[in-house]
Amino acid sequence: DIQMTQSPSSVSASVGDRVTITCRASQGVSSWLAWYQQKPGKTPKVLIYATSNLRGGVPSRFSGSGSGTDFTFTISSLQPEDFATYYCQQTDRLPRTFGQGTKVEIK
Amino acid sequence: EMQLLESGGGLVQPGGSLRLSCAASGFTFSSFSMSWVRQTPGKGLEWVSEINDSGDSTDYADSVKGRFTISRDNSKNTLYVQMNSLRADDTAVYYCAKVFGGYFDLWGRGTLVTVSS
Repeated sequence: DIQMTQSPSSVSASVGDRVTITCRASQGVSSWLAWYQQKPGKTPKVLIYATSNLRGGVPSRFSGSGSGTDFTFTISSLQPEDFATYYCQQTDRLPRTFGQGTKVEIK
Repeated sequence: EMQLLESGGGLVQPGGSLRLSCAASGFTFSSFSMSWVRQTPGKGLEWVSEINDSGDSTDYADSVKGRFTISRDNSKNTLYVQMNSLRADDTAVYYCAKVFGGYFDLWGRGTLVTVSS
């Protein structure tokens, strides 16, 4: 199975800050990586697929990059509605695996 | 509007069984693979099982293999998972999710399964 490791596990940031989360796969997954946002009490929502492609309606302040085993998710200017937990997921093969999550908290 | 609605969760004793259902609407259910994903309260996401569009191919996480069975009825637009020999560590919110390109583009609200005596 491919293990996905996110860092950091939590980050405290202020509105307007740039936030970067990294995700490392234990084996290469090419560009097959997605990022989700989950707010408390809500269902996960996919933001980015295939490393860098934004889903429709997702603000452009969200971006993703990387390939192979190392990936980055960035919020260029944190907004109040962005405080949530973010997960990466490799979409290359079964079993589908997620990172452990990164909680973005208000500083 | 595309929608998934899970049902069937509840409290069950260790060793017991439960069947979850997921009713789909607003898209061509029979054209997509579907998965179950669970989330332990306060913790992360764990993929549980997946079934292809026609229902003739399934896959499971090692943690549930041999105990859970995923199935679907495309005539009823419904996904199922039969969960047997339940353990305390199966306690979680269970989501059904539509698979698109290997990622999950539509999620249900989830149903809570609690395994406890």
